[in-house]
Amino acid sequence: ETGVTQTPRHLVMGMTNKKSLKCEQHLGHNAMYWYKQSAKKPLELMFVYSLEERVENNSVPSRFSPECPNSSHLFLHLHTLQPEDSALYLCASSLELLSKGETQYFGPGTRLLVL
Amino acid sequence: DQQVKQNSPSLSVQEGRISILNCDYTNSMFDYFLWYKKYPAEGPTFLISISSIKDKNEDGRFTVFLNKSAKHLSLHIVPSQPGDSAVYFCAASSAGAGSYQLTFGKGTKLSVIP
Repeated sequence: ETGVTQTPRHLVMGMTNKKSLKCEQHLGHNAMYWYKQSAKKPLELMFVYSLEERVENNSVPSRFSPECPNSSHLFLHLHTLQPEDSALYLCASSLELLSKGETQYFGPGTRLLVL
Repeated sequence: DQQVKQNSPSLSVQEGRISILNCDYTNSMFDYFLWYKKYPAEGPTFLISISSIKDKNEDGRFTVFLNKSAKHLSLHIVPSQPGDSAVYFCAASSAGAGSYQLTFGKGTKLSVIP
């Protein structure tokens, strides 16, 4: 049990749909992250939040919209996605923004398929 | 352009033998390196790390070696066990870029054969 949960675990959506991915951490961490792992590509950092403030947006298209209402919850709102957005979306948290010795705890991911 | 490369997509090792997973990096600013393990349907879990001021770090059956001049690190698992079968990701970060920015390799799938 990593203490980081993600729902749903699987999601199929059409290009005109709007959906949201949810991440919750029960570890008392202050930093949360969204990653994307496409087929045959490395994990890519999308967004970083620290104390509910976004500190990083790695050139992610606006059709992905993150929300961090409190330090335990992180959402990724999806709208008008493209088939190439199909991927595994992983949430992670760490006690503070990662520093040497810190590690990120990952959730199990949401497998997204865009038709 | 990939800054962290794991050139072997898969590796098979007999139980009890040594598993050696390799990772190369191109960014000389990286100063901290981590290995994560991932089972199917689970998120990656932290395994072991090493700072660039060291060349070796050991934790039980797991040892990570860092060769800064070659920009190469390796993870040794001795002895390998069937439960070690998983995908292993190498990751790197630099304090200058914000050490939360982990750059990952594509992973190596390790299969330990009983």
